[in-house]
Amino acid sequence: DTGVSQDPRHKITKRGQNVTFRCDPISEHNRLYWYRQTLGQGPEFLTYFQNEAQLEKSRLLSDRFSAERPKGSFSTLEIQRTEQGDSAMYLCASSFGSGQLSYGYTFGSGTRLTVV
Amino acid sequence: AQTVTQSQPEMSVQEAETVTLSCTYDTSESDYYLFWYKQPPSRQMILVIRQEAYKQQNATENRFSVNFQKAAKSFSLKISDSQLGDAAMYFCAYRSQPITSGTYKYIFGTGTRLKVLA
Repeated sequence: DTGVSQDPRHKITKRGQNVTFRCDPISEHNRLYWYRQTLGQGPEFLTYFQNEAQLEKSRLLSDRFSAERPKGSFSTLEIQRTEQGDSAMYLCASSFGSGQLSYGYTFGSGTRLTVV
Repeated sequence: AQTVTQSQPEMSVQEAETVTLSCTYDTSESDYYLFWYKQPPSRQMILVIRQEAYKQQNATENRFSVNFQKAAKSFSLKISDSQLGDAAMYFCAYRSQPITSGTYKYIFGTGTRLKVLA
């Protein structure tokens, strides 16, 4: 296991199309997070899963965004009817946690989305 | 709501010299975590150093150390003996204590781009 993997690395799409990104966390990590990073900004939290349960969603996650983690392993982030403002780097992170404790918070390399 | 501010968009340092990156934050919580992450171009975020708010002692990791001033809500990163490989974007981040907030999310600053001059 070499860390958090994200696919694809880059995606160019036309405005109005749907896109889906995948994140494979470190295998023993039960917590998974999605962040969005626009140019010149720090990452902004989108959503968080513990196992298959989506426990927290940011207001940034509009109705066009949906995230899933069906078996508590990999996760997908789908954006419907993409807009130019969706252009950003989408980062996934994972950690192992029990209660308050969280270990090994690790980021993936991200998926860079460009909407034209 | 918590906020993190990095007021230096860009810093430069001569190789082998020391540089300090600034970070301030705002919170009403008493227990939390602070982090510095490094993001090289087109590469993943890497944890540089972390500090628990309840610890008075400043964290150190080899050439990296922090100056944590809880009352002033300041958390600066000092890089000693700077190396070319230190060139990257550096982000300061805050994380609540989940028992009080129920969240594990990070709040990031806008970053400081560090250039290391040979």
